[in-house]
Amino acid sequence: GDSVTQMEGPVTLSEEAFLTINCTYTATGYPSLFWYVQYPGEGLQLLLKATKADDKGSNKGFEATYRKETTSFHLEKGSVQVSDSAVYFCALSDPGTASKLTFGTGTRLQVTL
Amino acid sequence: EAQVTQNPRYLITVTGKKLTVTCSQNMNHEYMSWYRQDPGLGLRQIYYSMNVEVTDKGDVPEGYKVSRKEKRNFPLILESPSPNQTSLYFCASSIRDGRRGNEQFFGPGTRLTVL
Repeated sequence: GDSVTQMEGPVTLSEEAFLTINCTYTATGYPSLFWYVQYPGEGLQLLLKATKADDKGSNKGFEATYRKETTSFHLEKGSVQVSDSAVYFCALSDPGTASKLTFGTGTRLQVTL
Repeated sequence: EAQVTQNPRYLITVTGKKLTVTCSQNMNHEYMSWYRQDPGLGLRQIYYSMNVEVTDKGDVPEGYKVSRKEKRNFPLILESPSPNQTSLYFCASSIRDGRRGNEQFFGPGTRLTVL
């Protein structure tokens, strides 16, 4: 079945550091890929998405590129802020159904001054 | 405002006392799902519904029930809660739209503690 693997956290960075959170997936078809963010005490918000190979999703300075050849969708940001401290989830959706997202285990990011 | 709402947001109960968590969406979405979030496990799907009166099990359905009598509502029922159902629960809704990747919209979450 489908699966998503994310790097273990927590990730601790200083403000303005470069961020990479790795995400790889296993899927039988051509899934859509997502990054969701969960700020402390809040629900999940869609951060960015990509629906086909080589697409780049971007939002709030975050970027991720759908790499079919490496089955990856790594999240990057050039300069993190304290306000980026949150848990980040990589997820995929099988194109044949809208009924389910398969999530990774989440990566907690803590940014310090 | 397009949204998914859940109630209650926080609930503490005791083993065996039946409870219902409500979920409602105002986007006219066909699909709705329930997930639970546990540390180190991410989010796992409990049940989903593809339309009114159509529901099916997700990955972790044991101990839960759902119903879909109206398109906008998708309540989660715990007939006899147990401590291992202590978790953070999310309701989500979506439409089947390949151009948008079948994006799901999430409610704010319900934190349930079963003593």
